[in-house]
Amino acid sequence: EAQVTQNPRYLITVTGKKLTVTCSQNMNHEYMSWYRQDPGLGLRQIYYSMNVEVTDKGDVPEGYKVSRKEKRNFPLILESPSPNQTSLYFCASSPSLQGTEQFFGPGTRLTVL
Amino acid sequence: AQSVTQLDSQVPVFEEAPVELRCNYSSSVSVYLFWYVQYPNQGLQLLLKYLSGSTLVESINGFEAEFNKSQTSFHLRKPSVHISDTAEYFCAVSDAGGYQKVTFGIGTKLQVIP
Repeated sequence: EAQVTQNPRYLITVTGKKLTVTCSQNMNHEYMSWYRQDPGLGLRQIYYSMNVEVTDKGDVPEGYKVSRKEKRNFPLILESPSPNQTSLYFCASSPSLQGTEQFFGPGTRLTVL
Repeated sequence: AQSVTQLDSQVPVFEEAPVELRCNYSSSVSVYLFWYVQYPNQGLQLLLKYLSGSTLVESINGFEAEFNKSQTSFHLRKPSVHISDTAEYFCAVSDAGGYQKVTFGIGTKLQVIP
């Protein structure tokens, strides 16, 4: 089954404790992206990647890191999480940038205390 | 820079009544337009999209949207809603050229009342 998977789905952590949210897609998509969803703000892009070893900042990259060492994986790293990073996070992938749809993962709900 | 405005954060509507969810965009270049739907506790799914050609696009479950370039709008409509349409709907825009960064609206929660 073609899908985007994220782990963990739920995470409660404390300020300053490094964490990684994994994202994997099995559709051989070139383009991957991370978003955060907050009430009243919709989805905002954190980082995106156009291919292996090619990443760039989205609208709200502060406090986050990403890497793209393999085509299928695009982990999101929070080196020192803070309470304002409490949010619902989505990973997405698409085959190209030419007006194609994005396929979204199920989401990761992160709470930073 | 592009932007998307969804004026209605919540839209309650009775079952079998028609509904329109409004979306306006701003961009200095040609655009691609999308509507995504998010059911409770799920990720987003593409509902329909406009890339070029006919300005009226339809989804498989009865929704339609019309691209209006002069009014920079892409409103989503359905003539008769069902309980199962209860969800949050996101309008999105990307520039039709180069790297198409996608910008999402804040979402509209459609609540279908029995």
